[in-house]
Amino acid sequence: EVVVTQSPDIMSVSPGERVTLFCRASQSVKGDLAWYQQKPGQAPRLLIYGASTRATGFPARFSASGSGTDFSLTISSLQSEDFAVYYCQQYDSWPYTFGQGTKLEIK
Amino acid sequence: QVQLQESGPGLVKPSETLSLTCSVSGGSIRDYYWSWIRQSPAKGLEWFGCINYSGTTHYNPSLRSRVTILVDTSRNQVSLSLRSVTAADTAIYYCARGVWFADPRGWGLDPWGQGTLVTVSS
Repeated sequence: EVVVTQSPDIMSVSPGERVTLFCRASQSVKGDLAWYQQKPGQAPRLLIYGASTRATGFPARFSASGSGTDFSLTISSLQSEDFAVYYCQQYDSWPYTFGQGTKLEIK
Repeated sequence: QVQLQESGPGLVKPSETLSLTCSVSGGSIRDYYWSWIRQSPAKGLEWFGCINYSGTTHYNPSLRSRVTILVDTSRNQVSLSLRSVTAADTAIYYCARGVWFADPRGWGLDPWGQGTLVTVSS
């Protein structure tokens, strides 16, 4: 099973700041990585697929990159609606596994 | 627009079987794999497995011995059964559609149902 580890667990940031979240896989998953955004009381929502492609409905301030074992998600200028928990998931091999999440909280 | 709705008992006794249904509306159950995922504070997001319209399944090996996922194409539903539950199975259970994107290539779970909280307690 591929273990996916996200860092940091929590980030305290101010609106307007640029933030980068990280995701590391225990073995290469090539570019088979997705990111999800989860707000309180809601289900996760697909944000990024194929390591770098934004899903429908997300603005260009969200960008992502990486391949192999190391990936990142950047939000260029945090808006109030971006404070949420972000998860990455590898889909290179069964079982598909998630990271533990990074929570963005308001400083 | 495809919508998913999980349903089932919110309370299950230890050692019994948890049974949930995911109803798919606004689209066909064909052409996709449908996943079950749960979320708990202890384990985070945990992927159970998935099934397609013909009944082909992929299970998480850690849960395989206790899990059955079935599809009912006539009702546009997917079901989850989890046997011999314990308090550790208390979680929010989600169903989600697995989508392959062609260009750029990729995959993701989209959309998700709203989730249903299942508590295991006597």
